[in-house]
Amino acid sequence: SQQGEEDPQALSIQEGENATMNCSYKTSINNLQWYRQNSGRGLVHLILIRSNEREKHSGRLRVTLDTSKKSSSLLITASRAADTASYFCATSSGQNFVFGPGTRLSVLP
Amino acid sequence: GAGVSQTPSNKVTEKGKYVELRCDPISGHTALYWYRQSLGQGPEFLIYFQGTGAADDSGLPNDRFFAVRPEGSVSTLKIQRTERGDSAVYLCASRWDYNTGELFFGEGSRLTVL
Repeated sequence: SQQGEEDPQALSIQEGENATMNCSYKTSINNLQWYRQNSGRGLVHLILIRSNEREKHSGRLRVTLDTSKKSSSLLITASRAADTASYFCATSSGQNFVFGPGTRLSVLP
Repeated sequence: GAGVSQTPSNKVTEKGKYVELRCDPISGHTALYWYRQSLGQGPEFLIYFQGTGAADDSGLPNDRFFAVRPEGSVSTLKIQRTERGDSAVYLCASRWDYNTGELFFGEGSRLTVL
């Protein structure tokens, strides 16, 4: 079974609103990464947070990591229609990456 | 090339046939990964290579699946005696080495077994 589990499974918001997605995992990790996938395309890396970090920012993205709760969140601020995609967290405890089932985000114009 | 290249982008085959899917990673990337993604699901790990050797093939579902990377660059995923349940998008990803940074994904090869 996959280690990462995102929630919600699907999220629909209006343009300009913030979107928050959560990821929970089961075992110890070295780092956690978030990826984005547009329909029918490959995954694109968004941001990486290491196990000794608690928060990281990149543009309109903010990622938090709570290793005591084995959870992470991805916040997209001031969403745009172009942010519509599936978002996946991936955990790594070695050289392998385990992906969750993803959150499908729809940003309505 | 600039990114990870996968061919074919689409493959339709009949049950029982043999299929090869090719991945050309970013030049210089020593680590190469194969994932399988079903509709509405996240990528499922199959195998990863560090150089020419398969460092972890624990995700290969059964012995009909095999992958090679003979010169440490291009990799081929081989599926024998295909079954309808093998239908999925097969994603390839590479990264600089086994211990650094993010994965760079190709666009995937969509396999449909009729």
